[in-house]
Amino acid sequence: NAGVTQTPKFQVLKTGQSMTLQCAQDMNHEYMSWYRQDPGMGLRLIHYSVGAGITDQGEVPNGYNVSRSTTEDFPLRLLSAAPSQTSVYFCASSYSSGGRYYGYTFGSGTRLTVV
Amino acid sequence: GNSVTQMEGPVTLSEEAFLTINCTYTATGYPSLFWYVQYPGEGLQLLLKATKADDKGSNKGFEATYRKETTSFHLEKGSVQVSDSAVYFCALSDRPGNTGKLIFGQGTTLQVKP
Repeated sequence: NAGVTQTPKFQVLKTGQSMTLQCAQDMNHEYMSWYRQDPGMGLRLIHYSVGAGITDQGEVPNGYNVSRSTTEDFPLRLLSAAPSQTSVYFCASSYSSGGRYYGYTFGSGTRLTVV
Repeated sequence: GNSVTQMEGPVTLSEEAFLTINCTYTATGYPSLFWYVQYPGEGLQLLLKATKADDKGSNKGFEATYRKETTSFHLEKGSVQVSDSAVYFCALSDRPGNTGKLIFGQGTTLQVKP
């Protein structure tokens, strides 16, 4: 099925470990983003990309890296995991047409616990 | 900068009651506006959208009208069901050529009791 695929769904890390959260979309969307969701804080933008080879920081980028070598993939790297990065992470993709945005699609999320 | 403010929850209603969840925004230019819904344990799903002033988005009995004069996008439903219990997020996106970011409100939890 077309959509945004995130892996893994669950992950437990020890403080200081690194890992990559994977995100792939097969809709040829130009825009991709990573959000984290924490209780009482809604969703906060970590990094985003407006096309292959172009990324920029969002609201809470510290401790995370991204790259976008293809239109389809947008992995999120945790460099040295900290307990404060315990959260649910969502990847999303979207496109624009005629000057307007349409069709933001979210993945099912990755629940990360850092101990 | 751009921002979205939603009414605080939780909102608790009886089945078949009328629902309003307020959402106001601050933005430069002409953003697109969205309502997303998150059911327990799941990801976000697009509920409805409006891309220009006076547009009305609608889906599954929910409606919201893009009001530029009051910078609002309030979500309404005439008769809620227990299955509507979820967290609802109002969001806006920038115009193309800017950043393509989606900015969310804090979310409003809706609980519908039988």
